[in-house]
Amino acid sequence: AQSVSQHNHHVILSEAASLELGCNYSYGGTVNLFWYVQYPGQHLQLLLKYFSGDPLVKGIKGFEAEFIKSKFSFNLRKPSVQWSDTAEYFCAVTPYSSASKIIFGSGTRLSIRP
Amino acid sequence: NAGVTQTPKFRVLKTGQSMTLLCAQDMNHEYMYWYRQDPGMGLRLIHYSVGEGTTAKGEVPDGYNVSRLKKQNFLLGLESAAPSQTSVYFCASSLGTPYNEQFFGPGTRLTVL
Repeated sequence: AQSVSQHNHHVILSEAASLELGCNYSYGGTVNLFWYVQYPGQHLQLLLKYFSGDPLVKGIKGFEAEFIKSKFSFNLRKPSVQWSDTAEYFCAVTPYSSASKIIFGSGTRLSIRP
Repeated sequence: NAGVTQTPKFRVLKTGQSMTLLCAQDMNHEYMYWYRQDPGMGLRLIHYSVGEGTTAKGEVPDGYNVSRLKKQNFLLGLESAAPSQTSVYFCASSLGTPYNEQFFGPGTRLTVL
């Protein structure tokens, strides 16, 4: 069955530390990939997306993600985190051919110590 | 342009009561979705619709019904609420294939006592 794995359930970092959140998916075909962010008390917002082309995609607020097809991974990175990055981060995958199949990971809670 | 809106924002029900959650979008999106979010479980798809008049089951459809009578609205109904349905419910919409970037509403926090 298709699935998305986010192995880090809770990550705690100090401000200015570098961040990498893992995302792996299981699906053999072409996919679209997303990272969504949910700030405390708010709804999900799109952080960045990959549809095709350059596998290194840049999103809002200094985030970027790299699609590595051979590893079925789409890890999220940020060189220097801020306290305001405290949020829950969700990786999501949708097969190119089927918009109805949206698969979300279980999420990674990121806590930043000021 | 309000995007995706949800009504109500909060609701407390007693076991066995019924209610309807309303989702509205003004982006002319074809696809609409209802999710529930529970701690440690991410988002789970309840039902979805690929166009006006259509609905389909998602991952966790039991205990819920939906209707999409108008393109801009997607209703989620609970006929007989149970404590296990205590959750935060999110509606989303998208243009659909092939890109399916989803736009989310602010959520409804439902507590069933």
